[in-house]
Amino acid sequence: QVTLRESGPALVKPTQTLTLTCTVSGFSLGATGMCVSWIRQPPGKALEWLARIDWDDDKYYSSLRTRLAISKDTSRSQVVLTMTHLDPVDTGTYYCARMQRVYDGSHVRYYFDFWGQGTLVTVSS
Amino acid sequence: QSVLTQPPSVSAAPGQKVTISCSGSISNIGNNYVSWYQQFPGTAPKLLIYDNNKRPSGIPDRFSGSKSGTSATLGITGLQTGDEADYYCGTWDSSLSAGEYVFGTGTKVTVL
Repeated sequence: QVTLRESGPALVKPTQTLTLTCTVSGFSLGATGMCVSWIRQPPGKALEWLARIDWDDDKYYSSLRTRLAISKDTSRSQVVLTMTHLDPVDTGTYYCARMQRVYDGSHVRYYFDFWGQGTLVTVSS
Repeated sequence: QSVLTQPPSVSAAPGQKVTISCSGSISNIGNNYVSWYQQFPGTAPKLLIYDNNKRPSGIPDRFSGSKSGTSATLGITGLQTGDEADYYCGTWDSSLSAGEYVFGTGTKVTVL
């Protein structure tokens, strides 16, 4: 049974750095094709993809790339996201999700098949 | 900030059909597969459709997906009160450097 669970601080002060951990079970972060992404959602707003790390340690970032760093510890089944220079607009629910990356010989297909329950992060002084 | 455009809301009576459009460009929908997610208030999104038109196990066939050019569509037939939720499309966008995943602006479905 695949599960993902986010953990991290609920309250962060502006300008500080946020560190979130996603602990997974039911699959290996080192298994070919396994990817994990971080996605956030400000209150009442749309989903926003932040970053992705693949089984082979390839990393991809959104336009917030200068503030983001994603890493994984396969032995501990954890994916860590750090975000620097927090601002109140970064307030929202942060999700980690397993991303299926399927290559069929001509196209690569991506979709999120399992999600964590999310963790609410508030940026306020 | 979302590069995929969806209508903010759609509504219909129970038993009726609704469609949700997702408009993008050649660098995202035009060259990649689309997935759809259902989200109830206060809960995490759930995969509804992947690879443009495939349903994961457990998703009823009342939900369907299609893609044409740079647009995708989610259809819900036999609308039920339990379908009231927000729906998001998503796909990979290859326009910037290594690429990034993009979501739609989201659509709220209301059952009248």
